[in-house]
Order: sequence, then C-alpha cells, then structure tokens
Amino acid sequence: QVQLVESGGGEVQPGRSLRLSCAASGFTFGNFGMHWVRQAPGKGLEWVALVPFDGGKQYYADSVKGRFTISRDNFKNMLYLQMNSLTTEDTAFYYCARHRYGSEWAFDSWGQGALVTVSS
Amino acid sequence: QSVLTQPPSVSAAPGQKVTISCSGSSSNIGNNYVSWYRLLPGTAPQLLIYDNDERPSGIPDRFSGSKSGTSATLGITGLQTGDEADYYCGAWDNSLGGGLFGTGTKVTVL
Repeated sequence: QVQLVESGGGEVQPGRSLRLSCAASGFTFGNFGMHWVRQAPGKGLEWVALVPFDGGKQYYADSVKGRFTISRDNFKNMLYLQMNSLTTEDTAFYYCARHRYGSEWAFDSWGQGALVTVSS
Repeated sequence: QSVLTQPPSVSAAPGQKVTISCSGSSSNIGNNYVSWYRLLPGTAPQLLIYDNDERPSGIPDRFSGSKSGTSATLGITGLQTGDEADYYCGAWDNSLGGGLFGTGTKVTVL
C-alpha cells in the first residue's frame, strides 16, 4: 500500500536551516507530483510547495518563497524540503502528500507528519 | 480574494446532516477544481472529495461535494460520532500561482 514517511524534524534556532525527507513506497513515485503541506499548532492547513513528477518547475507559497526548496530523487523514491532562514512562524507539523493522478488539485495520500520547532 | 473562507464550526445530532461551505473567488474556486479533507486528531489528513464532487474509493456516499460559481459545499449525511473532526477545502489559485486551503471547519456531533 502507499506509504509516505517523513523524517528530519526537530528543534532549531531562528535563522538556521533544516532538511526534511519523505520516503515513498508502495507506488511508482516517479509518476506523481508531490507536495509539502504544514499545520502550525492550533492553526489550519497551509500548502507549502509542489514539485512535478519529473522534478520540473516547482511552486511555492509566498510565505516560504526564497527560503524553502522542494526537490526529489526518483531513483531513491525520496522527497525533500530544504528549509533555510527559519523563523518561529515556520513552527509546524510538515506533511508530505501525493498529488492525485489526473486531478488538478487533490492530495490522495499523506504521511504522518514531522514536527519542526523553531525556537531560541 | 486569495482566501477560502469556511465557517469555524457546524454541529448536528447523530443521524442528521451538516453542510460546510467554502467561499472563494474567480481566481480559485471559480475557475478550478475543489477538494475536501478531514483531519482527525493525531492522524494524517484524509481526502474526502476531489474534482468538486468525486469520492475516492473507500469514502462512503454519506460524503458529497458540490460547486457553484465561486463557492463549494461539503455535505455529510447520517452524521456519526466518528465524523467529529476538522474539515478543509482546497483549490489552486491562479493569482497566487499556488495552492490554498480553506480556513477550516470543526464538526461537532451533539
């Protein structure tokens, strides 16, 4: 079955960097676009970034543009989120999610999430 | 505007029906497809509706979606205690060049 497992979360000081990883299994990873979505404590869902199936043009939320980079390795079935210049506003659970094949905007599988805490 | 507005909360008795609205604009809902998600505490989000009104396999037909103009609606019939959760709509926004989630709605079963 489809499985997405995030790793790399933790506590980091403001201004520092962190890289999240998402290991995918149970499907042909290279056929699907992938996203990162986050949820800050007590807040709603916020879409963060999208990378197409082939690693082409990426898209970012304005709140992370220029600081975060989404990437993928289709040989290793891995999705990444490089987060630089972190601020306390970036504290959240970060989910990797699979773009539903053939749909314009739907995420049909999600990981359990990785907690990122930005604190001094 | 580039925001999807949902009511903060809705409630109904077991067996009844609730509807959750998602109001957007021509840059998002008005010209793009809508999806809906359920968040249960401690679990990963779950896709309930895609492409405005389609249900993934395994989602019961108690859940339905519709869209009209710049608004979308999620309906839940035969409400169960297990339906207590937070629900979010989502859509691409052409002006932002990115995705949007709604403000979220908490469903309470009385």
